[in-house]
Amino acid sequence: RKEVEQDPGPFNVPEGATVAFNCTYSNSASQSFFWYRQDCRKEPKLLMSVYSSGNEDGRFTAQLNRASQYISLLIRDSKLSDSATYLCVVNRAGGGNKLTFGTGTQLKVEL
Amino acid sequence: SQTIHQWPATLVQPVGSPLSLECTVEGTSNPNLYWYRQAAGRGLQLLFYSVGIGQISSEVPQNLSASRPQDRQFILSSKKLLLSDSGFYLCAWSVRTGRSQPQHFGDGTRLSIL
Repeated sequence: RKEVEQDPGPFNVPEGATVAFNCTYSNSASQSFFWYRQDCRKEPKLLMSVYSSGNEDGRFTAQLNRASQYISLLIRDSKLSDSATYLCVVNRAGGGNKLTFGTGTQLKVEL
Repeated sequence: SQTIHQWPATLVQPVGSPLSLECTVEGTSNPNLYWYRQAAGRGLQLLFYSVGIGQISSEVPQNLSASRPQDRQFILSSKKLLLSDSGFYLCAWSVRTGRSQPQHFGDGTRLSIL
């Protein structure tokens, strides 16, 4: 089983739609979780950290379910500029600040 | 604020030639530093990790090496490049604390081996 698994997509949605991405992780000892955004041929950029109680940043909401080892990202009122690949990221348990990056879910927001 | 600089942005090298990619971080001290490679259409693979000057951990056996001659400088090298070394190389830094922190990436170097 992969350490971090994501549906590669693409998710094609109209502008204004709400879209949700899911991610599962295999290591139950993981403690830190993040969502990154990567535009085509660019570096990944931190979108938001994911906290146990869930957290929101504008149109973006992240949720963590430790029992199911599952992380989600919800994007409301999608914009054309949201088109990108979204990477689910989990820390590797066992010390050191090492992160495992999922291969990403591609989002295409269309007119 | 902290910034990370990575160069060059693009590099085309012949098989068998040497490589040196440089990364520097500004605005922070004692960062953790990382080198990743992303092959086309693939995820990020951690190559090297450093918690301090001269301290390098290698994640996978390969044709590459890394060095950290100064606190905020991280260098990726190879003596003889292989075709399989092509890819998008990313340097990243994070704050060094007990709990995992997000990592912040440089703009990356797109390396093509001919």
